[in-house]
Amino acid sequence: AQTVTQSQPEMSVQEAETVTLSCTYDTSESNYYLFWYKQPPSRQMILVIRQEAYKQQNATENRFSVNFQKAAKSFSLKISDSQLGDTAMYFCAFIDTSGTYKYIFGTGTRLKVLA
Amino acid sequence: DTGVSQDPRHKITKRGQNVTFRCDPISEHNRLYWYRQTLGQGPEFLTYFQNEAQLEKSRLLSDRFSAERPKGSFSTLEIQRTEQGDSAMYLCASRFVGSGGTNEQFFGPGTRLTVL
Repeated sequence: AQTVTQSQPEMSVQEAETVTLSCTYDTSESNYYLFWYKQPPSRQMILVIRQEAYKQQNATENRFSVNFQKAAKSFSLKISDSQLGDTAMYFCAFIDTSGTYKYIFGTGTRLKVLA
Repeated sequence: DTGVSQDPRHKITKRGQNVTFRCDPISEHNRLYWYRQTLGQGPEFLTYFQNEAQLEKSRLLSDRFSAERPKGSFSTLEIQRTEQGDSAMYLCASRFVGSGGTNEQFFGPGTRLTVL
């Protein structure tokens, strides 16, 4: 079965500092996609960043970047220059391209950015 | 494009009552997903539609749950004879499958169900 594991239930970081959130996954598929979603308190989930498994280059979106290690099945999210608005739950998600394209989510990491 | 909307945002009901939630996806999106999120957990897949066809149901979707997407646009999720264990956030997401589509799903704000 495909699984996604986020081993850090909660993290905090000082404003303007850098923080890394961890995610590991398990799959036997070779073609898949990985995502990080942000869920602010009482607000809907929004996509932060996406990585295609066939791409070796790590994805980057402004202050957000990933470290994708396919062999290790690791997909961490780095947030640089943290801002108060980054405070949220962060979910790592996986989809494979051979099935329904449904998301399999991790349990999330609650990130708090401190002023 | 107003995004994915869900109604109601909050629902409180007594055990044994029936409830129905509605999801309006982004207009051109042909695929619609339902997820359930309990406290401290990530969302879990319940079911999905390609246009009006329901193509997969999770084992989480007991016989008390039914979902429809009659015209391939909005969808409803009904829970009959609610139980306290049904208390959760019910999320709807949609995406476009086809030329130019991405694998990103767009989420609605969710319906928070509390069963007393």
